[in-house]
Amino acid sequence: DVKVTQSSRYLVKRTGEKVFLECVQDMDHENMFWYRQDPGLGLRLIYFSYDVKMKEKGDIPEGYSVSREKKERFSLILESASTNQTSMYLCASSHQASFSGANVLTFGAGSRLTVL
Amino acid sequence: GQNIDQPTEMTATEGAIVQINCTYQTSGFNGLFWYQQHAGEAPTFLSYNVLDGLEEKGRFSSFLSRSKGYSYLLLKELQMKDSASYLCAVRGNDYKLSFGAGTTVTVRA
Repeated sequence: DVKVTQSSRYLVKRTGEKVFLECVQDMDHENMFWYRQDPGLGLRLIYFSYDVKMKEKGDIPEGYSVSREKKERFSLILESASTNQTSMYLCASSHQASFSGANVLTFGAGSRLTVL
Repeated sequence: GQNIDQPTEMTATEGAIVQINCTYQTSGFNGLFWYQQHAGEAPTFLSYNVLDGLEEKGRFSSFLSRSKGYSYLLLKELQMKDSASYLCAVRGNDYKLSFGAGTTVTVRA
């Protein structure tokens, strides 16, 4: 019954490495999101996408990029990992927003990245 | 931008009631959400409020006052499995959800 799958649960990388975090959803959702979650700071939005090949910056996009070549897949890329990017990364998806109802996010289980 | 505040931690006894408050200051408002997140797991949706008032769903209720920028999540008849973090999130005009830092609730026997 897994709906949002993040490819790696735990990763350890070195400073300067290029890192790919993959996310796949099987609910035919239009919207996909990448958040990072840090103690005391909550979830912060990095990037999001409303459609294939479309991307929008969130609140903290610096040091990250994304790719959405297919509707079901949204990738987060760290071009050159740094220690301050050590965090839990959460992918989420939702149907296109509707002001008449709840637009509920479905989250993946998260990818815990450690950058040494 | 959005500013969302909620208490960091709360502790309560099994069978009791706990109320988690959330205040927000936003540039636009199109709904407030509560999510539950158990340690090491994904957040899961609990409730949604877009109009003022109380929404009840079993042991959980959520209240919203838009004029006061205030919501609370009420957990009744607490069970050990309710020990988790509870995340308050506000949707602005741009469809994005902004989250508070979360409230960790510990239920003791």
